Amino acid sequence: DGGITQSPKYLFRKEGQNVTLSCEQNLNHDAMYWYRQDPGQGLRLIYYSQIVNDFQKGDIAEGYSVSREKKESFPLTVTSAQKNPTAFYLCASSPRVEDQPQHFGDGTRLSIL
Amino acid sequence: AQSVTQLDSQVPVFEEAPVELRCNYSSSVSVYLFWYVQYPNQGLQLLLKYLSGSTLVESINGFEAEFNKSQTSFHLRKPSVHISDTAEYFCAVMAPGYSTLTFGKGTMLLVSP
Repeated sequence: DGGITQSPKYLFRKEGQNVTLSCEQNLNHDAMYWYRQDPGQGLRLIYYSQIVNDFQKGDIAEGYSVSREKKESFPLTVTSAQKNPTAFYLCASSPRVEDQPQHFGDGTRLSIL
Repeated sequence: AQSVTQLDSQVPVFEEAPVELRCNYSSSVSVYLFWYVQYPNQGLQLLLKYLSGSTLVESINGFEAEFNKSQTSFHLRKPSVHISDTAEYFCAVMAPGYSTLTFGKGTMLLVSP
């Protein structure tokens, strides 16, 4: 079955460390997205990518970085510059940015030790 | 820019009762509208969408939403809820030609026996 796989499900990080969250899709979608979800805050867009080797900042990109070297993969790195990284992170994809709806993975919960 | 307001953070209801989850949006242009559902520790699943045409849209599990342009609303309704409908519901908006979805902060639907 086609879908989006996020790994790991739970991730723990020590303060001052960078950590990378994985997102892989086999839907042949061009567009991919990363969201951060905090209780009572809804979803906020971190980065999105319309095509391989291209990505744009979303509303809360500070302290995060991404790459898009392959169509199927859009990893998110939470850097030590992100002051409050504890959150639920969701990856999504769509055929193109103009095409909705987006399909979501099951998320990664990141906690700081 | 677009914005979405979900007026209720939590809606408690008894099983088999009707429910309405409210969503209002703000936009200077025409929009596409979506409702997503999120079960605990999972990603979001599309419930229904309005792109154009009939202002009343329905999902396969008994939910419906009506696009009201004059009131800039897209309220979600179900005539009789089940325990399994307990989840968080997100309203989202996107302007055609724009790249991204804007989400509301979510409404937690709590169905009790």
